[in-house]
Amino acid sequence: AQSVTQLGSHVSVSEGALVLLRCNYSSSVPPYLFWYVQYPNQGLQLLLKYTTGATLVKGINGFEAEFKKSETSFHLTKPSAHMSDAAEYFCAVSENSSASKIIFGSGTRLSIRP
Amino acid sequence: GAVVSQHPSWVICKSGTSVKIECRSLDFQATTMFWYRQFPKQSLMLMATSNEGSKATYEQGVEKDKFLINHASLTLSTLTVTSAHPEDSSFYICSASPIGLAGAVQYFGPGTRLTVL
Repeated sequence: AQSVTQLGSHVSVSEGALVLLRCNYSSSVPPYLFWYVQYPNQGLQLLLKYTTGATLVKGINGFEAEFKKSETSFHLTKPSAHMSDAAEYFCAVSENSSASKIIFGSGTRLSIRP
Repeated sequence: GAVVSQHPSWVICKSGTSVKIECRSLDFQATTMFWYRQFPKQSLMLMATSNEGSKATYEQGVEKDKFLINHASLTLSTLTVTSAHPEDSSFYICSASPIGLAGAVQYFGPGTRLTVL
């Protein structure tokens, strides 16, 4: 079985500061890992994903995440936060095959202070 | 590309009535679609996996007779909430997995907010 744990249900940073959202996963098979962003009353938008290959993955809006197998982590970072980054962020895991179901973490709400 | 639409975007209904939600992949075909529900300030919980031309696979604890899923074509899946009650009020989100695209990619619809009075 697969699972995802997001540490911190709410993270608040100042505009321009580093964003770090933590995600740890559990999987009995090599996982696919994802970060999604959700704005209020909207669906989910894929920020980035790791499947195979390079462990540092770059996504949209300046976000990136690093797959660390030894730590079973896939933390999301952004060097400099913008006000527009305020949203709910979900880490997710899937088995490494097409059309596999995705298991979501509990989410982290990111707030940006002016 | 890779747009998924949902209709309606919001619906209010009386207790005891049934509500149908449509999920369409607009510019790709999807053998598999997924239905999630999301309660306020909570994560997405997978309800069922919908496969074109076959019966849906429901997650544990999800009543198949209450949440009817039909995946009649490669671009359309529907979720019908039968005999809706206030506790069914939630945000329902679908996703679609493009045929032949590796990497477990799913594209998500914008969601449907259901309020049962």
